[in-house]
Amino acid sequence: QQQVKQSPQSLIVQKGGIPIINCAYENTAFDYFPWYQQFPGKGPALLIAIRPDVSEKKEGRFTISFNKSAKQFSLHIMDSQPGDSATYFCAASNISSSNTGKLIFGQGTTLQVKP
Amino acid sequence: ETGVTQTPRHLVMGMTNKKSLKCEQHLGHNAMYWYKQSAKKPLELMFVYNFKEQTENNSVPSRFSPECPNSSHLFLHLHTLQPEDSALYLCASSQDSPLLAGVTYEQYFGPGTRLTVT
Repeated sequence: QQQVKQSPQSLIVQKGGIPIINCAYENTAFDYFPWYQQFPGKGPALLIAIRPDVSEKKEGRFTISFNKSAKQFSLHIMDSQPGDSATYFCAASNISSSNTGKLIFGQGTTLQVKP
Repeated sequence: ETGVTQTPRHLVMGMTNKKSLKCEQHLGHNAMYWYKQSAKKPLELMFVYNFKEQTENNSVPSRFSPECPNSSHLFLHLHTLQPEDSALYLCASSQDSPLLAGVTYEQYFGPGTRLTVT
């Protein structure tokens, strides 16, 4: 019940395309859903996050769509660029009951954006 | 840079060696974490320290021993490791506080130590 399942494992799109990465969770106590971006040789960095009281959040070219009833959330990258090529991780946490917000990560999606 | 540094960046050790990984955060945070990142597996949380006290041990084998002498430093002591322990070990830090309206909770990660056990 603590798992977060992420798909696809890898994704290749052309520049300007809209890659979509999906995540699903089981634990209904999760109340914080971040996406992290990781470039080779670097640690993951927070990209965008959402809480379950909204169904969508946009920051620049990145959008999270959240479906509470289906227990699913997804990341959309608009007008993707080669510089977006990286590994993307979804995560979930129950921050309301934990001061340290233990994150459960998905398996990761390696995105390649071709010029 | 994220404000979280890790040393060494690369480490090769034999199964009988003892070594330590070091993490330092310059962000004034009071929660620190160790994660293990293996190929094709999710990031695995190993340990959590909150105000220097260990609050989480995610069933990690005793050959991994964490130490948190203060809120800015975190160590991972390694001894008699196995080849399957080869991975990227990531340190992270965060501010320990309830989520405030308009504030995004975030863990800041270091670049990791690439560990190879021979």
